[in-house]
Amino acid sequence: NAGVMQNPRHLVRRRGQEARLRCSPMKGHSHVYWYRQLPEEGLKFMVYLQKENIIDESGMPKERFSAEFPKEGPSILRIQQVVRGDSAAYFCASSPTWEGLYEQYFGPGTRLTVT
Amino acid sequence: KQEVTQIPAALSVPEGENLVLNCSFTDSAIYNLQWFRQDPGKGLTSLLLIQSSQREQTSGRLNASLDKSSGRSTLYIAASQPGDSATYLCAYSGAGSYQLTFGKGTKLSVIP
Repeated sequence: NAGVMQNPRHLVRRRGQEARLRCSPMKGHSHVYWYRQLPEEGLKFMVYLQKENIIDESGMPKERFSAEFPKEGPSILRIQQVVRGDSAAYFCASSPTWEGLYEQYFGPGTRLTVT
Repeated sequence: KQEVTQIPAALSVPEGENLVLNCSFTDSAIYNLQWFRQDPGKGLTSLLLIQSSQREQTSGRLNASLDKSSGRSTLYIAASQPGDSATYLCAYSGAGSYQLTFGKGTKLSVIP
């Protein structure tokens, strides 16, 4: 059973470009979470999605960031018009249900560098 | 504001030593607490999950305890090895919540 997969592992974008980060949850998991880890900071929750639904995006910046989890295919975190402050590691996690009873399993992360 | 504090921020010990990593949190309505390991440039590996009804969990040389009343958790590592060198993260979810709130971690170096 493959773990949570994220791609690309490293992404370099110039200021103003778009970044697309992909996450495939573990088999059998229908709940996806995105977290961001800024340099020298702890991981911060961004958004929680189920298939075709955004359940909670309270941790997402109000502008330029969006997320989706379509019926088919991976979850995508999209950052438009990237700025240097978006440089961070973005982690995706999945779980079989939303309940805290179950562990969240994390992917290897995508490290975004904005030049 | 819910916060997680991990002390110390960094720790260096000789191989074979037993050690304790500390985690404190401000939310008394904790649902569960997870300890993770993060290697440089890598993702997070879940080590132990303690549910709110439990007081401790053990896996091999690792033992994690949870004291909700004092808002503390500890991760005990027995007979440390160089391969244990990594950053250890503590995170909890509040009651009825799925969000994990993370500490900044303790960077552990085990010297051969």
